Amino acid sequence: GESVGLHLPTLSVQEGDNSIINCAYSNSASDYFIWYKQESGKGPQFIIDIRSNMDKRQGQRVTVLLNKTVKHLSLQIAATQPGDSAVYFCAENMGNTGNQFYFGTGTSLTVIP
Amino acid sequence: GAGVSQSPSNKVTEKGKDVELRCDPISGHTALYWYRQSLGQGLEFLIYFQGNSAPDKSGLPSDRFSAERTGGSVSTLTIQRTQQEDSAVYLCASSLVPNYGYTFGSGTRLTVV
Repeated sequence: GESVGLHLPTLSVQEGDNSIINCAYSNSASDYFIWYKQESGKGPQFIIDIRSNMDKRQGQRVTVLLNKTVKHLSLQIAATQPGDSAVYFCAENMGNTGNQFYFGTGTSLTVIP
Repeated sequence: GAGVSQSPSNKVTEKGKDVELRCDPISGHTALYWYRQSLGQGLEFLIYFQGNSAPDKSGLPSDRFSAERTGGSVSTLTIQRTQQEDSAVYLCASSLVPNYGYTFGSGTRLTVV
């Protein structure tokens, strides 16, 4: 998993396998979460978001799970492809009371062809 | 333009010099954010602009850092008397709705030598 201040975790998966990237967020008042993907030399790219009134949300090949009890967020990528290799960040926001997102340090995903 | 544009993409400057970093947000996006990303770290919030409201400067690390947003569009981040610890990638993001999914630019990589 990832948490602010830790060295960048890494995950290597075989092409075609499913990937699970974990994130422990810090603030129980956070009510909106986003997963971002950042490729080398580029800015973070929005992948999927979830609000705190949901436990699960699915996109194309991606699923985000939210466990508010333990303040844990996960990103599942189905049938991982080489183009999925990147650093993945979770970000939390306190909605109307916060002007910023708080980002974790990220997880580096490497897909082995 | 179609995305958030930042310039320059790379900047090398001597310690003690001033630098200006520019951000062109997506047209019509009223919210604009600056973040800083140091090597192997997550994103650190710097400043937030929303319409004509006073900016949220709570993330600026020192009084050497300042930013402005002219005409509700283009923003400039200025770092005076640069120090080596200012070396990082400076990312700008904009959003149509505050605190909703941002669109990031590709960033300016600042190196202070």
